[in-house]
Amino acid sequence: DSGVTQTPKHLITATGQRVTLRCSPRSGDLSVYWYQQSLDQGLQFLIQYYNGEERAKGNILERFSAQQFPDLHSELNLSSLELGDSALYFCASSVQSGQPQHFGDGTRLSIL
Amino acid sequence: DQQVKQNSPSLSVQEGRISILNCDYTNSMFDYFLWYKKYPAEGPTFLISISSIKDKNEDGRFTVFLNKSAKHLSLHIVPSQPGDSAVYFCAACTTSGTYKYIFGTGTRLKVLA
Repeated sequence: DSGVTQTPKHLITATGQRVTLRCSPRSGDLSVYWYQQSLDQGLQFLIQYYNGEERAKGNILERFSAQQFPDLHSELNLSSLELGDSALYFCASSVQSGQPQHFGDGTRLSIL
Repeated sequence: DQQVKQNSPSLSVQEGRISILNCDYTNSMFDYFLWYKKYPAEGPTFLISISSIKDKNEDGRFTVFLNKSAKHLSLHIVPSQPGDSAVYFCAACTTSGTYKYIFGTGTRLKVLA
């Protein structure tokens, strides 16, 4: 158990819809990272927050946004969903940047 | 542009033998490297890391080697056990600036009993 909790585990929705993925980091971790893993692909870094502030941005689409709340949990919002957005979305946390990350078990998003 | 590459999608090794997983990178600014293991339906789990000031780091059965001139790192598992069967990802980042972690596409290791 990594201590990182992601909800929901599975999400099925339709094109054009909007969803919110939730992540609770490990106790004491200030950094939260979001990754996307499409079929047979590696983990694509989306965005990082540190103590409520955006720290780094990766290949995140404009239709996607994220935030980290004062209690350090984070949400990833995906809107105007397309078939290609179907993927596993992982959240990870670390004490601070540059430390090994601890991953949640992911949210599997299926777009029909 | 794939800055971190794992060119072997899969690897099979007999139990008790050595498993060697390889990873190449292109960005010379990377100075911190990590290996993660991933079982099905679970998130990746941190295994071992190495800073660019070292060329070897060992933790039990796992050893990571870094060859900066070749921009190559490898993970050695010895002896391999059936429970090591998983997908292994290497990752790299720069410890100055934004700490963006770049992951490889993974190598699926199967350890045969």
